[in-house]
Amino acid sequence: ETGVTQTPRHLVMGMTNKKSLKCEQHLGHNAMYWYKQSAKKPLELMFVYSLEERVENNSVPSRFSPECPNSSHLFLHLHTLQPEDSALYLCASSQDNGTPVHGYTFGSGTRLTVV
Amino acid sequence: AQSVSQHNHHVILSEAASLELGCNYSYGGTVNLFWYVQYPGQHLQLLLKYFSGDPLVKGIKGFEAEFIKSKFSFNLRKPSVQWSDTAEYFCAVRRGSTLGRLYFGRGTQLTVWP
Repeated sequence: ETGVTQTPRHLVMGMTNKKSLKCEQHLGHNAMYWYKQSAKKPLELMFVYSLEERVENNSVPSRFSPECPNSSHLFLHLHTLQPEDSALYLCASSQDNGTPVHGYTFGSGTRLTVV
Repeated sequence: AQSVSQHNHHVILSEAASLELGCNYSYGGTVNLFWYVQYPGQHLQLLLKYFSGDPLVKGIKGFEAEFIKSKFSFNLRKPSVQWSDTAEYFCAVRRGSTLGRLYFGRGTQLTVWP
């Protein structure tokens, strides 16, 4: 285990469903991230939270809605997704205080399939 | 726009062969550079990183990378690969002014035959 836990590991959902992905970190980090990993494409940064405040939203469709209730938890709420949203969704955390980031710690990801 | 290029999409080597994976980035300012590895079915792990100082950095498992500022490159090397190095390798760049954000290349799949 990396200290960043993502649940569920696998999720199959219909296009009309509502589901949520959960990420939890026990590393005392103050920044958390959602990335989308699709085959043959670079990891796409979706959302950045620093000190529980969303600081970046990279033109992600509104059918993805993040939530960061505290510095240890990060959610990604999913609603009316499309088949092209099927991918591995990765959560990461880091300690970010303005000095160089010492890399991220990644979770194992949630493999999402939209049918 | 920030761009990280990994030109080799799939590399196939025999054990004991030498490895070099290319990584180029497009940002001209201060950067921090990273290589991550993802073994089959596992999470992304940090292999090595460069912030400043000696441009040749050593990482885990015998990997090293060299930062060449004039070429905007941060190539990953290993003198002699093993079957267990089979994995996907990702180069990542953090711009000096962007708090925390890492931008990744599309990855290089390395397959090592025993």
